Amino acid sequence: SQQGEEDPQALSIQEGENATMNCSYKTSINNLQWYRQNSGRGLVHLILIRSNEREKHSGRLRVTLDTSKKSSSLLITASRAADTASYFCATDTGRTQGGSEKLVFGKGTKLTVNP
Amino acid sequence: KAGVTQTPRYLIKTRGQQVTLSCSPISGHRSVSWYQQTPGQGLQFLFEYFSETQRNKGNFPGRFSGRQFSNSRSEMNVSTLELGDSALYLCASSSLAGSYEQYFGPGTRLTVT
Repeated sequence: SQQGEEDPQALSIQEGENATMNCSYKTSINNLQWYRQNSGRGLVHLILIRSNEREKHSGRLRVTLDTSKKSSSLLITASRAADTASYFCATDTGRTQGGSEKLVFGKGTKLTVNP
Repeated sequence: KAGVTQTPRYLIKTRGQQVTLSCSPISGHRSVSWYQQTPGQGLQFLFEYFSETQRNKGNFPGRFSGRQFSNSRSEMNVSTLELGDSALYLCASSSLAGSYEQYFGPGTRLTVT
């Protein structure tokens, strides 16, 4: 079963606009990661945020994490056509769940940036 | 460093056959994970190998198996293929075991007819 769920499932914006995607998860985590996937290709790691961090930046990306609400958001500022891709959040199961940690991915948000 | 490579990139098989997919991780990475991606189920974890040992396994039937060699290269095998096994199979490597940043290969697109 999916640990993280992204919202919205699909998002269409114009170049230059900001894109915000949200991820909610169910159980405690050690870290949360965001990945990008261009159509039919492998995933590319974007950013990792640890459970004791609240915000992280990388270039035009800003990720926030609210562990009390079990949610994270990914903001892409000044979007470009090249940002068109699917974006996934991934969470680890956390040591409290027992067993060893592994990444569990959501179903993704499909972002389309129109030129 | 060269990225994660997967072979073959595309594969067409018939129901009942078996298939072996290969993954070469980034040099120095000892952890290799496999995922199945389908439109309906999304990305699902198959298994992870670290230093030739299966460290973690997802909820897939025993028809799905894997192994890792001493050079960290990994193979996964699917026996008695079913139509539902048609998917993009992704391999990812990491320098550490578990839920750390993973580097993905381009995937193998398997079509079962």
